[in-house]
Amino acid sequence: DVKVTQSSRYLVKRTGEKVFLECVQDMDHENMFWYRQDPGLGLRLIYFSYDVKMKEKGDIPEGYSVSREKKERFSLILESASTNQTSMYLCASRLGTSNYYQETQYFGPGTRLLVL
Amino acid sequence: DAKTTQPTSMDCAEGRAANLPCNHSTISGNEYVYWYRQIHSQGPQYIIHGLKNNETNEMASLIITEDRKSSTLILPHATLRDTAVYYCIVSPHNAGNMLTFGGGTRLMVKP
Repeated sequence: DVKVTQSSRYLVKRTGEKVFLECVQDMDHENMFWYRQDPGLGLRLIYFSYDVKMKEKGDIPEGYSVSREKKERFSLILESASTNQTSMYLCASRLGTSNYYQETQYFGPGTRLLVL
Repeated sequence: DAKTTQPTSMDCAEGRAANLPCNHSTISGNEYVYWYRQIHSQGPQYIIHGLKNNETNEMASLIITEDRKSSTLILPHATLRDTAVYYCIVSPHNAGNMLTFGGGTRLMVKP
């Protein structure tokens, strides 16, 4: 079974703090994703990564950056947290073959971030 | 611009089959239909996917109409633990393959 873990289930930070959200997968997947989920807005893609040290912007990258130094780990960074970044953050991974559109994304349990 | 439409909510009696419909009238020839669900406070969980043939696994069955414009997810014997939001997603064929989750259907399984 694929396992995607996230460093925290709940996190409370203050405005202006730098926030690191960590995601680790144990199935040697090439592709990893960061989403945020807000009521009424569904899941929105922030960033994704095809491979180590490669990253691409998703739909809402502003205010975020990412790091993929190792294949199994994909970090989401909030350089200066703001209250509008209060949300549920979900990490996902996918095998990443040429038949990517047939592949399942496996999600972590989520991190609920509150920025005060 | 939504690619799928689903009812907002449905109820189902425990032990009965839950049939969740989804319309995807603009689906392209090489796009797959995926179903995920999200139980409260957890990350989305993959259920099943298909292209044009009906599919079945240990969790559910997926029935896709011949014209592929709609599909139905069937949970054959719903349990209370199946209460969740169910998302029908059409996978894009661009390189990013960004899963776009719409509002989904909130299924409430009642005893």
